[in-house]
Formats: sequence, C-alpha cells, structure tokens
Amino acid sequence: AQSVTQLGSHVSVSEGALVLLRCNYSSSVPPYLFWYVQYPNQGLQLLLKYTSAATLVKGINGFEAEFKKSETSFHLTKPSAHMSDAAEYFCAVSDSSNTGKLIFGQGTTLQVKP
Amino acid sequence: DGGITQSPKYLFRKEGQNVTLSCEQNLNHDAMYWYRQDPGQGLRLIYYSQIVNDFQKGDIAEGYSVSREKKESFPLTVTSAQKNPTAFYLCASRDARVEKLFFGSGTQLSVL
Repeated sequence: AQSVTQLGSHVSVSEGALVLLRCNYSSSVPPYLFWYVQYPNQGLQLLLKYTSAATLVKGINGFEAEFKKSETSFHLTKPSAHMSDAAEYFCAVSDSSNTGKLIFGQGTTLQVKP
Repeated sequence: DGGITQSPKYLFRKEGQNVTLSCEQNLNHDAMYWYRQDPGQGLRLIYYSQIVNDFQKGDIAEGYSVSREKKESFPLTVTSAQKNPTAFYLCASRDARVEKLFFGSGTQLSVL
C-alpha cells in the first residue's frame, strides 16, 4: 500500500530564509508525487508535481522539489521565504489504480516570521 | 469563471439529521472526489466518481452517501450514521490530461 509521511507538523522560518519541507513516500510502483498548498479556510492549490520526467521539478511561487528514488523522498524547497508563504502544505502520492485518487500526508504548517 | 463551487461554506447538523453538501464543477471533468480534512490528519478520501452514474467508496465511506446523476454535480450526504461528522469537507475534480486535481473552497460542518 502506498503512503506518505511528512516530517514535522510545524516548521518556522524567518523571512528570507530557506524553506525545507520534508516528504517521504512508500510505493511499490513508480509514483506520481504532488505538493499542494492550502491557505486558511480554502481549498488546495497545486504547487508542483512529479510524473516521471525530470527529477527536479519547479513549481509556482518559486518552490521546487527533487524526486530521489534511492531515498524515497520528495522534499519541497524555496530559497527565500516570503510572509505570503505562510500556509499548510501537503505532500501526496497517486495510487496505482489510475483513478486519480491521491494519498495525502498529514500536512506541514509553515510559519514565516518577520 | 471555470472552477468548482462548494456550498454552503458553513453547515450545522443536529443529532439524527442528514445534511447534504453541494459540489458543482463547470470544468467538464469526468472524475470527482470528496475528501474529509481533520486537523493533523491530512485529507482522507470518502467517495469518488470517475463517470456519471458511477461512484466508488473511498477509505472512510461509512456514514456518507453520494450520487452522480449529472457530470457537473457530485453531492455528498452526511447521514445520521456518521457519529463524528465535524470536519472540513473538500470536493475536487480531475483533469486527467495534466494529472491535476482542482479543489473547491470547502464546507465546514459542525454538530450542534
């Protein structure tokens, strides 16, 4: 069975500092991997996705993630945090059924301090 | 504007009452999904539908029901059998061409 683990339910960084949100996955087949962002009381918005092309994926708002098969990881990074990046971030993996179902991690809340 | 519309934004349920959450999309997507979000637990799949007049149970379907009579609409009913319904409910549709889910803005359901 596929699963996703996000390390750290809360991450706090200073404005301008590096953002690193960790995600590890478990999958018996080559996965599709996703990062979504959620602002308070809103739905989720896709940041980026990995679908077996380039292992370094660039997304919106300056975020990027690197797929590392040997480490079963898909960590999200951004070189310089902005106050507007404060939100909850979810890592997700698609299941192997091609139904579009996603299995989500528990989420990481990013706090950005001035 | 194209997108997914969920209503109402806030909903209150009394003991023993069934309530229905609305989800409408004008994106012409075949597949639609209902997720439940609880703090610290991420999103869990309740039901999904890949095509009109067909739907499948997700991981936590007990106490919920759905219908898919029209491509645009995928309403979720929270029945009285769901003993812990307080949560944030999110509806999504899938663009299979680019492998992307589009989410509505959610409905917060609380118990009176």
